[in-house]
Amino acid sequence: NAGVTQTPKFQVLKTGQSMTLQCAQDMNHNSMYWYRQDPGMGLRLIYYSASEGTTDKGEVPNGYNVSRLNKREFSLRLESAAPSQTSVYFCASSGGTGVYEQYFGPGTRLTVT
Amino acid sequence: AQSVTQLGSHVSVSEGALVLLRCNYSSSVPPYLFWYVQYPNQGLQLLLKYTSAATLVKGINGFEAEFKKSETSFHLTKPSAHMSDAAEYFCAVSVRGTSYGKLTFGQGTILTVHP
Repeated sequence: NAGVTQTPKFQVLKTGQSMTLQCAQDMNHNSMYWYRQDPGMGLRLIYYSASEGTTDKGEVPNGYNVSRLNKREFSLRLESAAPSQTSVYFCASSGGTGVYEQYFGPGTRLTVT
Repeated sequence: AQSVTQLGSHVSVSEGALVLLRCNYSSSVPPYLFWYVQYPNQGLQLLLKYTSAATLVKGINGFEAEFKKSETSFHLTKPSAHMSDAAEYFCAVSVRGTSYGKLTFGQGTILTVHP
C-alpha cells in the first residue's frame, strides 16, 4: 500500500516549456487535490476533483490544467511554465466519508528558470 | 467561507519545554479541524483531528489539541519537546456537509527545538 505517489520528485523547466505532474493513490479515495506550497504562504489549493469525472478550480488555478484520468490518477499540467510557478507541488486524496482528512504525497519540487 | 490563522510563523523552545502552537479558525458552520506536520523535504502527515466527539484530541507523538468554540481556537500542545519535533506545523479547517472535504490551511508555524 503506497498511499499517494507523485512523479517526478524534482524538475527544472525553462520559461515557456510544458510539463505534466503525475499523481496516483491506491486507497480507493473519491477526492483528489493539487496544492502548491510557497514559503510563508502555507498550502494553496490549485484544483480539486471531488469524484471521478469532475474537476473544479481552487484558490490559484491560473496557468494550470488538470485531468482526473480515473479514480486513481489525477494529473496537473503546466502548459507554458513561468518563473512564478516555481514551487513545491503536493497531491492529496481523501475518502469523502466520515471526517475528511487528506493524505499527502511526497511532493514535486519545480524550478522554472 | 472558512479561514485559519496561525499566530507566530516561528516558535523556538528548549528540549523538554512545553510546546504551544496557536491556531484560530473562522467558520460559519461547525468545522472539522486538523493539525498536520511537515518534516524537511517531506509531505504532510496528519497529527490529529477534531470531529466533535471530544474537545480534547490526542494525536501521534504525544501531541494534543483542545477545541474551544467560545475562543474559535484549536491550539496544539506537547508537554515536553523533543529534538525530533522540529518541523513545520499546519492547522487546517474543513467544512462539514460537503462531500469532498476541501481543506483550508493556515500559513504554518516552524518549530525549532534547542538542546
